[in-house]
Amino acid sequence: QLQLQESGPGLVKPSETLSLTCTVSDDSISSDDYFWAWIRQPPGRGLEWIGSIPYRGMTYYSPSLRSRVALSVDTFNNQFSLKVNSVIAADTAVYYCAKSLGRGESSRAFDFWGQGTMVTVSS
Amino acid sequence: QSALTQPASVSGSPGQSITISCTGTRSDVGGYNYVSWYQHHPGKAPKLLIYEVTNRPSGISLRFSGSKSGNTASLTISGLQAEDEADYYCSSYKYGDSLVFGGGTKVTVL
Repeated sequence: QLQLQESGPGLVKPSETLSLTCTVSDDSISSDDYFWAWIRQPPGRGLEWIGSIPYRGMTYYSPSLRSRVALSVDTFNNQFSLKVNSVIAADTAVYYCAKSLGRGESSRAFDFWGQGTMVTVSS
Repeated sequence: QSALTQPASVSGSPGQSITISCTGTRSDVGGYNYVSWYQHHPGKAPKLLIYEVTNRPSGISLRFSGSKSGNTASLTISGLQAEDEADYYCSSYKYGDSLVFGGGTKVTVL
């Protein structure tokens, strides 16, 4: 069973950069069959899609976060990463990484998720 | 405020059926058959229940079913069980290569 695990600092200061990594338990990250996504959940609120990146090809970002977010893939370490620049208190959330069902139409659903990691933006 | 509207809570007794709605617009739910549903027990990883409106991934119980009419998608849980008590989220593809989620529905088994 595929496993995903988020890691990174739990506390980030305002205006700094939030950096998280998702480690995938096998080498499926090197497959052209999937997208790898970041999704977050602010306290007491619903889920918010941040973006999705394939091994090769175009990366897609949420329009509301596109100017501050970057996703990348590291196939050597079976990892993919998220960076959010110039963070504010509203970026405080549980951050999840996830794998899509497939490419194309199947890229819009996620069948494996990490357990999530809480990131607080505070000075 | 989330892009898709879900009721904050739904409850039912064991064995009953409940339905959770997810209302969007023609730019998301109404315009595409790419609605997904997730079950989330707090502290655990969310689980995909339904994709592309009606499809169940392998291993998901037949008690979970999805449908759509106009701008509103629905998840029905039949034969409600105690283990179904969780938060449920819908998501939809949105025009412009984006994805949007609902605010979540807390299901309580009475």
